[in-house]
Amino acid sequence: AQKITQTQPGMFVQEKEAVTLDCTYDTSDPSYGLFWYKQPSSGEMIFLIYQGSYDQQNATEGRYSLNFQKARKSANLVISASQLGDSAMYFCAMRRPSGGYNKLIFGAGTRLAVHP
Amino acid sequence: DTGVSQDPRHKITKRGQNVTFRCDPISEHNRLYWYRQTLGQGPEFLTYFQNEAQLEKSRLLSDRFSAERPKGSFSTLEIQRTEQGDSAMYLCASSTETSLSGNTIYFGEGSWLTVV
Repeated sequence: AQKITQTQPGMFVQEKEAVTLDCTYDTSDPSYGLFWYKQPSSGEMIFLIYQGSYDQQNATEGRYSLNFQKARKSANLVISASQLGDSAMYFCAMRRPSGGYNKLIFGAGTRLAVHP
Repeated sequence: DTGVSQDPRHKITKRGQNVTFRCDPISEHNRLYWYRQTLGQGPEFLTYFQNEAQLEKSRLLSDRFSAERPKGSFSTLEIQRTEQGDSAMYLCASSTETSLSGNTIYFGEGSWLTVV
């Protein structure tokens, strides 16, 4: 069965420091996509970064980078130079690889608090 | 604003009443998804539309739930005879044709339902 595991219910980081949010996944399909979303208190799911299973390099988007270790089935999100506005819930998700559409399976999330 | 919009943002209803949520996807997005998110959990897939056709429904979508997308544009999600267990946030998302790129999936801000 396909599954996403986020083992950190909550994380704290000092402003301007870097933080790593963990994500492991389980799938037997060779082709899949991994996503990270940010959810502030307003509720909207904001797309941050994407990694395809065949991508050779780790994805980066501004201050966000994805540490993709395929053999370990992990896709950790690294946020560099944390800002107060980064305080939110963060969800790792996997795109269902078959079915022809973007059905996402989400983890339980990690709540990040950035302290000044 | 050209994002996914949902209405109402918040709804409090008495147990046994019917409620309806509306989602307006991004223009020309032919794919539309409904997810449900309970406190402390990640979103769970409910149903998927391609244009006006409802192509998949999760087992989470009991017979009290019905979703429509009559003209392939906006969608409604109706819950009949609400129960306290229906209390959750209902998220709508839309996308274009399937792509390996993750940033084609856009979420709305969600509709919070509280059943008292």
